[in-house]
Amino acid sequence: GAGVSQSPSNKVTEKGKDVELRCDPISGHTALYWYRQSLGQGLEFLIYFQGNSAPDKSGLPSDRFSAERTGGSVSTLTIQRTQQEDSAVYLCASSASGMGSGNTIYFGEGSWLTVV
Amino acid sequence: AQKVTQAQTEISVVEKEDVTLDCVYETRDTTYYLFWYKQPPSGELVFLIRRNSFDEQNEISGRYSWNFQKSTSSFNFTITASQVVDSAVYFCALSEAKYGNKLVFGAGTILRVKS
Repeated sequence: GAGVSQSPSNKVTEKGKDVELRCDPISGHTALYWYRQSLGQGLEFLIYFQGNSAPDKSGLPSDRFSAERTGGSVSTLTIQRTQQEDSAVYLCASSASGMGSGNTIYFGEGSWLTVV
Repeated sequence: AQKVTQAQTEISVVEKEDVTLDCVYETRDTTYYLFWYKQPPSGELVFLIRRNSFDEQNEISGRYSWNFQKSTSSFNFTITASQVVDSAVYFCALSEAKYGNKLVFGAGTILRVKS
């Protein structure tokens, strides 16, 4: 696609439920990133994929968070047993390549998650 | 360790004023990349510029200009003749070659341009 596409745009969920957030990167981009933006924490890195593997998942805040990428394209970020502190905007991004390349990272519009 | 500091939390200017957004970074790597992104009220992060550590040439793009100074570890962003549409949150970010393409962001500067 022309840009990074994320769905859903907005999600309200009850505490304790699981949620899945989807990201479709720019066509041909091998690197994919998930970031989280919340009021108190700014923009935080969560995980980075190169192809289907995740060489850096250092930013995942707990084992309730997981992500996968299949076919070197679409990625899903899953949050299990959601907590109120998970409320944030989850931003997906992609770039033409990853490690050490300094390539420009392009962001999607984000998925706004509210846990009530 | 990587760190990006944007000391200005919020700036308000009147339309047509020039405004400079400061960015100071810390890195131990000799190969690194600096970025500026704009986040308008719609929420999407819009890429503005990328600079690598070996290129200290300043850059101008229309009303936007960037001043990269390795001696002071700064990468400041100036908007000339500001417009209301420039109102947004601006983020400076750093990536180090040895940490892949992972971006570390500053806290952001809210720019309000009043008519």
